[in-house]
Amino acid sequence: AQSVTQLDSHVSVSEGTPVLLRCNYSSSYSPSLFWYVQHPNKGLQLLLKYTSAATLVKGINGFEAEFKKSETSFHLTKPSAHMSDAAEYFCVVTEPHDYKLSFGAGTTVTVRA
Amino acid sequence: DAGVIQSPRHEVTEMGQEVTLRCKPISGHDYLFWYRQTMMRGLELLIYFNNNVPIDDSGMPEDRFSAKMPNASFSTLKIQPSEPRDSAVYFCASRPGRLNTEAFFGQGTRLTVV
Repeated sequence: AQSVTQLDSHVSVSEGTPVLLRCNYSSSYSPSLFWYVQHPNKGLQLLLKYTSAATLVKGINGFEAEFKKSETSFHLTKPSAHMSDAAEYFCVVTEPHDYKLSFGAGTTVTVRA
Repeated sequence: DAGVIQSPRHEVTEMGQEVTLRCKPISGHDYLFWYRQTMMRGLELLIYFNNNVPIDDSGMPEDRFSAKMPNASFSTLKIQPSEPRDSAVYFCASRPGRLNTEAFFGQGTRLTVV
């Protein structure tokens, strides 16, 4: 069965500095991987997805993630944090034969002025 | 499409009462999921349907919880009787029946059982 581990429960950055959110996955197959963002009291919005095409994936709001099979990682980055990036971020994995999504525990991002 | 629509957005009920949460998936999506989100347990998959048929309900916490999908455009999650520990945000999501596609989430229903 697939699973996801988000290595940091909370990340705090200053506005204008880079953001790195770490995600490791476990899968017996070629997985699809996603990053979702949840702003306070809101639903989940897709940031980006990896589906076995290019290993560097660009998403909305300047975020990108790199799929590294050798490291079983799918870390999310953004070069310059903005106050509006303060939210909770979820790494998600799914396998080709299984349509349900497995969520990580989430990483809360705080952005300091 | 208006996206996944959930109702109500907020529900406050007394312990022991029946609660029904509703979801309208995106038209044409073959999969529908119910998730529960709490501070303690994060996002938990309760049940999911494929073409209106329940596929995996192993996440449903107790017999007090039941879910139905009578047609492709409507699903309900019912809790009877409700308990304070059921207080959470319940999300519905739908997904196309194609590989490598993402799920689309509703805005959630915030349930408070007092």
